[in-house]
Amino acid sequence: AQSVTQPDIHITVSEGASLELRCNYSYGATPYLFWYVQSPGQGLQLLLKYFSGDTLVQGIKGFEAEFKRSQSSFNLRKPSVHWSDAAEYFCAVGRSNDYKLSFGAGTTVTVRA
Amino acid sequence: DAGITQSPRHKVTETGTPVTLRCHQTENHRYMYWYRQDPGHGLRLIHYSYGVKDTDKGEVSDGYSVSRSKTEDFLLTLESATSSQTSVYFCAISADMNTGELFFGEGSRLTVL
Repeated sequence: AQSVTQPDIHITVSEGASLELRCNYSYGATPYLFWYVQSPGQGLQLLLKYFSGDTLVQGIKGFEAEFKRSQSSFNLRKPSVHWSDAAEYFCAVGRSNDYKLSFGAGTTVTVRA
Repeated sequence: DAGITQSPRHKVTETGTPVTLRCHQTENHRYMYWYRQDPGHGLRLIHYSYGVKDTDKGEVSDGYSVSRSKTEDFLLTLESATSSQTSVYFCAISADMNTGELFFGEGSRLTVL
């Protein structure tokens, strides 16, 4: 079965600084990889996804992520964070012809002025 | 926004009582899911459905049952609630798992005393 590890439980970053959230997955074949964001009291919203092709994917809200097969990683980045980026971020993994996604435990991002 | 409605949004109940959470969608999507969200665990899949009357277990299905008699409704039942089932429950829908994207409801917060 696939699994996802997000090593950082909580990250604090200054507004305008860059942000990188780590995600490592365990899966034998090429996975489908996702990043979701959850604002307080809300459901999850898809930021971006990787299925195949270009390993650098662009998402909404200025986020991007890079798939590195050799490191089993799919790290999320943003060059300059805004106060509105304070939220919880979840990495998820799925696979072709499966109905289910497995989620990591999440990383909470705090943005300080 | 995807048309997903969860009810009730908040519920407090006592140990041993039955509880039913409802997820209603207006998107006519084939796949529906129930996740629970707990600190440190991210989202864990309880049950999912891949069509009317077609359901299967997720990773934390003990103590839960589901039913899907119509495309638009997916019910999650706790036959006899326990304190360990205190959680936030999210319904999600998907049109096609080959796109991988889940659309989430706003969550139902359940407290079992």
